[in-house]
Amino acid sequence: SQTIHQWPATLVQPVGSPLSLECTVEGTSNPNLYWYRQAAGRGLQLLFYSVGIGQISSEVPQNLSASRPQDRQFILSSKKLLLSDSGFYLCAWSHGSNSPLHFGNGTRLTVT
Amino acid sequence: SQQGEEDPQALSIQEGENATMNCSYKTSINNLQWYRQNSGRGLVHLILIRSNEREKHSGRLRVTLDTSKKSSSLLITASRAADTASYFCATDEGAGNMLTFGGGTRLMVKP
Repeated sequence: SQTIHQWPATLVQPVGSPLSLECTVEGTSNPNLYWYRQAAGRGLQLLFYSVGIGQISSEVPQNLSASRPQDRQFILSSKKLLLSDSGFYLCAWSHGSNSPLHFGNGTRLTVT
Repeated sequence: SQQGEEDPQALSIQEGENATMNCSYKTSINNLQWYRQNSGRGLVHLILIRSNEREKHSGRLRVTLDTSKKSSSLLITASRAADTASYFCATDEGAGNMLTFGGGTRLMVKP
């Protein structure tokens, strides 16, 4: 069966520090991969999605970047965090059109 | 941008009652999906309904889709305290399975 791992679960970082969140998927190949951000009590905002290794599309211009160095690995990064980067970050995978998204358990990021 | 909008934003019911949540959207879609999120956790997929389908069932869940009104509803019958969670609709507009999520309905089921 397929599983998705996302870490760390919680993270507190000072303003201006770098960020690296990692997501890996097991049990499937060539998945579509996604990074979403969720503000407190709100819906999800799509940040990045990828249909293959090295292929990244950005939905929202911001202080973040994403990379896909391997088929089942998706990394969210920042060189210098801002207070506004605080939020709940969710990684997800799918098999493409007309298929559901499968989410990780998320990372709660607090920038202080 | 936010495509789906859930209504109500919050709903509180007694165990055993039915819960109905609605979702409205703006553009044409390939499919509409409903997800559930327990506090502080990731989302869990509940049901996917395609644009050419009108109704779908899964256990105590019933989803309807009215493409002419650009709306969907999620009905949870005989609710349980364990159904307490936030419920989100998400629309797939056909561009690479990028889902657009609504703001969610927070459901509380009191025992």
